[in-house]
Amino acid sequence: AQRVTQPEKLLSVFKGAPVELKCNYSYSGSPELFWYVQYSRQRLQLLLRHISRESIKGFTADLNKGETSFHLKKPFAQEEDSAMYYCALRYNQGGKLIFGQGTELSVKP
Amino acid sequence: DAGVIQSPRHEVTEMGQEVTLRCKPISGHDYLFWYRQTMMRGLELLIYFNNNVPIDDSGMPEDRFSAKMPNASFSTLKIQPSEPRDSAVYFCASSRHLSGANVLTFGAGSRLTVL
Repeated sequence: AQRVTQPEKLLSVFKGAPVELKCNYSYSGSPELFWYVQYSRQRLQLLLRHISRESIKGFTADLNKGETSFHLKKPFAQEEDSAMYYCALRYNQGGKLIFGQGTELSVKP
Repeated sequence: DAGVIQSPRHEVTEMGQEVTLRCKPISGHDYLFWYRQTMMRGLELLIYFNNNVPIDDSGMPEDRFSAKMPNASFSTLKIQPSEPRDSAVYFCASSRHLSGANVLTFGAGSRLTVL
C-alpha cells in the first residue's frame, strides 16, 4: 500500500544549525512528492515539490528513488522556520494526495 | 478570491450530538478534499470529490461520517452521532486538477471538540 512515513514527531535545533526532516515513502510507481508547512495559526500551505527542483525559504528536498526518500533540508535554521511540516505523496497521474504524520520543527534562539 | 472557506472555526459539542462542518472551495476548482488532523495520526484523507461526485471515501472512519457536495461551491461533512474520539481539526482543501503544477489549497480548518 502507498504510505508516507515521517519518523520524527518533533525535531528541535538551535538557530543556525542544519536541519533535516526525514520522509520515506512506499510506492512502486513514479511518485510526485511535496512538502507542506503549517506555521502557527496559519493554514497548511505548499512549501515545495520535487518536480520543480526549487529552493524555497532556503529549504531543498531531493527525491532519492533508491532509498525511497524525500528528506527536507536547510543548512542554517532560523527561528521563523518553527512550524509543522508534512511530507505528501501523490501517486498515479491525477491521484489523491496522502500525507505523513508530520514533524514539528522547533528552532531555538 | 477569499480562498477555501470553512465553518465553523471551532465547535464544542457533547457526545451523541450531530456535527456539521461546511466548506466552500475556491471558485473554478473541481476537486474537493476533506482531511482530519490529529496528533497521533497526522493528516488523514477522509474523502474527495471531483465535479461534485465522491471519488474515494475509503478514508471515512465509519458510518457515523458522511459527506456531501450538492453543488460546486459547497460541501458538508457530517458526524452523527459524534464521539470524543472524533475530536480533531478537520480541513477542507480544493484543487483545479490533480496533476502538474496544480496543488491543494487548504482552508483554515474546523477544530472539533466532543466532550
